[in-house]
Amino acid sequence: DQQVKQNSPSLSVQEGRISILNCDYTNSMFDYFLWYKKYPAEGPTFLISISSIKDKNEDGRFTVFLNKSAKHLSLHIVPSQPGDSAVYFCAASFGGGADGLTFGKGTHLIIQP
Amino acid sequence: GAVVSQHPSRVICKSGTSVKIECRSLDFQATTMFWYRQFPKKSLMLMATSNEGSKATYEQGVEKDKFLINHASLTLSTLTVTSAHPEDSSFYICSASRRGAHQETQYFGPGTRLLVL
Repeated sequence: DQQVKQNSPSLSVQEGRISILNCDYTNSMFDYFLWYKKYPAEGPTFLISISSIKDKNEDGRFTVFLNKSAKHLSLHIVPSQPGDSAVYFCAASFGGGADGLTFGKGTHLIIQP
Repeated sequence: GAVVSQHPSRVICKSGTSVKIECRSLDFQATTMFWYRQFPKKSLMLMATSNEGSKATYEQGVEKDKFLINHASLTLSTLTVTSAHPEDSSFYICSASRRGAHQETQYFGPGTRLLVL
């Protein structure tokens, strides 16, 4: 049973527009959420995170929104750039990140020129 | 960001041999390191949690006698795949946990591609 779900395997967005990647989770005990970017045959690169006590965190072009009641989070990238093309993984953890991460299956973001 | 290295990046071995993978946090001390495995076109699956100076905690279904983990220092954890079989072929990735003000964030190594013939 998948506790972290990314229901869109792929997403295509035009350069300069906003990319919105979605993630749903089922375990209400998760209290820390992270987004990672990954290229094939490489380790994930940390992008941004959010604690369950917040509903929004922003870092440059990246903003993560958390809706605890809906058990939903999203990553907004604006403006989207060609270098953003990659697979994006949503991850969740217990204990403020002290435990291992539970990953979603990833969304392949393709930025069209 | 924090830097985590992994060595080797790629290894090919014969069935029945053992392979050791090293994970190092280069610019911070990590009390906790994690080992993940990624199958082709699949998500990353947590294998075990490694704490410095203590025994690793393995996830359900992961054989601790097959995947030996040693966390000898605050900057080094090793994963040894013992008596490797072709089904152990996979992409193994480690992460090191860096403590922030309120949370801990995991930073990942570049991964090790293991192919068992």
